[in-house]
Amino acid sequence: AQKITQTQPGMFVQEKEAVTLDCTYDTSDQSYGLFWYKQPSSGEMIFLIYQGSYDEQNATEGRYSLNFQKARKSANLVISASQLGDSAMYFCAMREVTGANSKLTFGKGITLSVRP
Amino acid sequence: DAGVIQSPRHEVTEMGQEVTLRCKPISGHDYLFWYRQTMMRGLELLIYFNNNVPIDDSGMPEDRFSAKMPNASFSTLKIQPSEPRDSAVYFCASRPGQGYEQYFGPGTRLTVT
Repeated sequence: AQKITQTQPGMFVQEKEAVTLDCTYDTSDQSYGLFWYKQPSSGEMIFLIYQGSYDEQNATEGRYSLNFQKARKSANLVISASQLGDSAMYFCAMREVTGANSKLTFGKGITLSVRP
Repeated sequence: DAGVIQSPRHEVTEMGQEVTLRCKPISGHDYLFWYRQTMMRGLELLIYFNNNVPIDDSGMPEDRFSAKMPNASFSTLKIQPSEPRDSAVYFCASRPGQGYEQYFGPGTRLTVT
């Protein structure tokens, strides 16, 4: 089974509007972390936001917030006031810790296009 | 800080040739990760090191791939012999021991003809 599922094939949003990018995950661990990364057309991977499984508050970083619903195993990224520079590929990832092993598993990504 | 440094940024080689990708992690980071990104398979973890020791290499596709980390400031990923299906972008990332964020390098775009 996929550990990280991102099913939206591509998203479009009007500039200055908010957009939600979906992510669901699968794990039997109690302790884990969820991440979102942005990959613009230039190719670099840019860290956006992190949510720990024990964090009670949803993480926020500027215009980014993570809508964490633990029971549903979802970790959706909300981008408020979209900008043209937000057009990129967005990846959800999960970190599981098993013994000495600590690695990220990435979803397939979602393409976001911001329209002027 | 200079960030994670990868070289070369682009590599074009012929099938059967040896390819060596290089990575310099951020100073002080204990963990180093090698990823491969393709359209078909997305972003896959190949191997990662903790304090220069390989911890998990279960993502290494086959024996043609090998990775080393001789010291805290340098790692290589070698493919020998290379095949067209190895064409991909290879990322190196590092993170500090107590942190959670991985810092990615700019990637190496490998094309095997």
